[in-house]
Amino acid sequence: GAVVSQHPSWVICKSGTSVKIECRSLDFQATTMFWYRQFPKQSLMLMATSNEGSKATYEQGVEKDKFLINHASLTLSTLTVTSAHPEDSSFYICSAPIDKSLDSEYGYTFGSGTRLTVV
Amino acid sequence: EDQVTQSPEALRLQEGESSSLNCSYTVSGLRGLFWYRQDPGKGPEFLFTLYSAGEEKEKERLKATLTKKESFLHITAPKPEDSATYLCAVQVNWDYKLSFGAGTTVTVRA
Repeated sequence: GAVVSQHPSWVICKSGTSVKIECRSLDFQATTMFWYRQFPKQSLMLMATSNEGSKATYEQGVEKDKFLINHASLTLSTLTVTSAHPEDSSFYICSAPIDKSLDSEYGYTFGSGTRLTVV
Repeated sequence: EDQVTQSPEALRLQEGESSSLNCSYTVSGLRGLFWYRQDPGKGPEFLFTLYSAGEEKEKERLKATLTKKESFLHITAPKPEDSATYLCAVQVNWDYKLSFGAGTTVTVRA
């Protein structure tokens, strides 16, 4: 089936540094990638939507200068957390629709997530 | 505003004790309702998509049903490996975004 590979699985960084998270679609072309954030025991909150070759669309309240999203190819989307602070510590997950129509039976496939801890 | 509410928040079951999880939704035009399973520290794993009221889908010990206001995920004779958080999400017409509920954490004891 369609797989999105997300790396790293976990990362610890110092406050003020930047961290890049990568999501690759392994056996399909992901023209769209969704980026979610999940706090402990809470649901997934959509942060932004990226489309290959164009600027990302951010949800209300999400700082686009802090969470830089790049979708330079049909198989790679990246999220960079810039000048990270402890409050940015969270679980970040990417997701892609299985096909271009966004109307497939399986809908969306998810990456395995990245646990970011900022110290 | 679209809302998705899952209940209960947590469910503790004995192995073999069947139960149901609820997902109630208020959306302006449902395009699809999705059920996912999420293990700790992992991304969600797809279970079912339901499109219209009255639809039912089954997979092993899981069965999902849909009405115009809610969806149920029935777990029949659960096993410890069914322990996970089950997430419900809705997709509304003309929008590709998913809105997730907070999830129900199921723990099945042997």
